[in-house]
Parts: sequence; structure tokens; C-alpha cells
Amino acid sequence: EDKVVQSPLSLVVHEGDTVTLNCSYEVTNFRSLLWYKQEKKAPTFLFMLTSSGIEKKSGRLSSILDKKELFSILNITATQTGDSAVYLCAVEDRDDKIIFGKGTRLHILP
Amino acid sequence: KAGVTQTPRYLIKTRGQQVTLSCSPISGHRSVSWYQQTPGQGLQFLFEYFSETQRNKGNFPGRFSGRQFSNSRSEMNVSTLELGDSALYLCASSLVSPSYEQYFGPGTRLTVT
Repeated sequence: EDKVVQSPLSLVVHEGDTVTLNCSYEVTNFRSLLWYKQEKKAPTFLFMLTSSGIEKKSGRLSSILDKKELFSILNITATQTGDSAVYLCAVEDRDDKIIFGKGTRLHILP
Repeated sequence: KAGVTQTPRYLIKTRGQQVTLSCSPISGHRSVSWYQQTPGQGLQFLFEYFSETQRNKGNFPGRFSGRQFSNSRSEMNVSTLELGDSALYLCASSLVSPSYEQYFGPGTRLTVT
């Protein structure tokens, strides 16, 4: 059965710290891996990764995919209180089905 | 450009009833996906519609159904409601299929009593 596992489930750090969120997957016919940020409302898209070893970067956030080891990481440097959210990882297969992980709840202390 | 809208935002139903939720995608988007989000199971894919056709379906019982209209608006129906159907139902639209770079609506919070 296809699955996406995120770790840790929750994380509390101080402002300014760097965090690394993990996402591993077992999905047949992998197409892409997606990262979302969910605050109080609906998830917002962060990154889509399709190729191994190519880092995607947006400001203080970056992500990379390892298709051999079947995982991805999301890094956030110099964290701010506004980064507090649930970060969701999802994998899309070639049948256009998307499977979400249960998310990592990140809390940034001022 | 207006975002994805969902109606109603909140709904309370009793067991055995049925419910219809509505989603209007971003103008020009033809793919609409529906998700159920619960604290225990997280975000789970229900189905995706593209050009009025269901392209894919998640592992939900037949009580969950949907459709898409020619203007890309989509509806989701749940019949014979159960307590476990209480959840946040999110709709997401994207420009093309497959559905990546989805834009989510605010969701409909369904409570079944």
C-alpha cells in the first residue's frame, strides 16, 4: 500500500534556529513530491520536486528529493514565529493520485 | 484573481442525512480535487475531476460521490452520513491535470451528530 510518512510529528524550536523536516515515501509509479504549509486555513503550496538532488529554494526554505532512498527534506533556516504551521508532504503517482503524510506540526518560540 | 471558494463554510447534519458541498475553482482552472481532513487521518484524497470527468478516486466508500459541471464548478455529495464523516472537506483547483500546484479553498467544516 502506498504511504507517505513524515517525521517528526511535532517540533518546537526557538526563533532563529534551523529545522529539518523529513518525508519518506513508498509509492509505486512516483511522479512528484509536494510540500505544503498549512496554518489555520487551507494548505498553501511550497515546492514540487521531481528530480533527485536538485535543491529547490524559496527564501529561507529549501527542499531536496532523493529518489533512490525515497525521501525528501524541507529545511527552514533562521526560523521566525510566522513559520509556525503544519508542514504537509504529499506524493503524486502517475495515475494522478495524491497521498498526503500526516504532517509535521512546527512551533517557533519567540 | 479570486481564489477557490467553498460553500457552505460550516454545516451540521445528523446521522443518516445527506449533504452536498460546493466548490468554485479559480477562473481558468479545470482540475478540481476533493480532500477530507481529520485529526486522526490527516489529509486524504477523495477524488479529482477534470473537464467534467472523474479522473481518480481515493479509498472512500460509495457514499462519497462528486461531479463537475461545464464551468468547472464541482459538488461533492455524501449520503447516509455517519459520525465519522465529521471533518474538514477541502477542495483544490489547478490549471491542468495532473493536479500539482494546487490552490486550496478554505474548506467546509462538516459536523455529524
